[in-house]
Amino acid sequence: GAGVSQSPSNKVTEKGKDVELRCDPISGHTALYWYRQRLGQGLEFLIYFQGNSAPDKSGLPSDRFSAERTGESVSTLTIQRTQQEDSAVYLCASSFNWAAKNTEAFFGQGTRLTVV
Amino acid sequence: GEDVEQSLFLSVREGDSSVINCTYTDSSSTYLYWYKQEPGAGLQLLTYIFSNMDMKQDQRLTVLLNKKDKHLSLRIADTQTGDSAIYFCAEKSAGYNKLIFGAGTRLAVHP
Repeated sequence: GAGVSQSPSNKVTEKGKDVELRCDPISGHTALYWYRQRLGQGLEFLIYFQGNSAPDKSGLPSDRFSAERTGESVSTLTIQRTQQEDSAVYLCASSFNWAAKNTEAFFGQGTRLTVV
Repeated sequence: GEDVEQSLFLSVREGDSSVINCTYTDSSSTYLYWYKQEPGAGLQLLTYIFSNMDMKQDQRLTVLLNKKDKHLSLRIADTQTGDSAIYFCAEKSAGYNKLIFGAGTRLAVHP
């Protein structure tokens, strides 16, 4: 597609339920990132995928968070047993090979998650 | 660890220049970025500067980098109401695969 696409755009869920967020990167982009943005705060790095390399999961806040990506395609971020502090906008970005040179990371519109 | 700090709010009059400041802690930063986030929209890359440069100009935007003080600034000349947004400073360190973002500076432009 023309840009990074995320779905759903909004999600309201009950505390304790699992949620799955989806990101469709720009075709040909080997790198994909997930960030979390809490209200009024900056972007918090969650996880980074680069091609078939092992993902950098150093930003995942707890074992309730996991993410998958098959090859250079769609990625899903799963939050199990959601808590109210998980409420945030979850942003996905993609780029060409990040480590090789400076390339622009393109961001999706984000998924606004509200845990009630 | 890495840390990026920005002031949270800036108000300017239309037509004036805006200067948004950012400080970072990682001396091995290779690239520094300014992103813009408009209401309801995703982040958009405005400009970036490589760490061996001290200035970059792109139309109304001027980026100044003081590597010694780890200080980055974004100057917007002739600020317009369409420039109202949140501006994020971000840095990428050598050997890391992630951007570290500041909390963002909300720029309000008034008549």
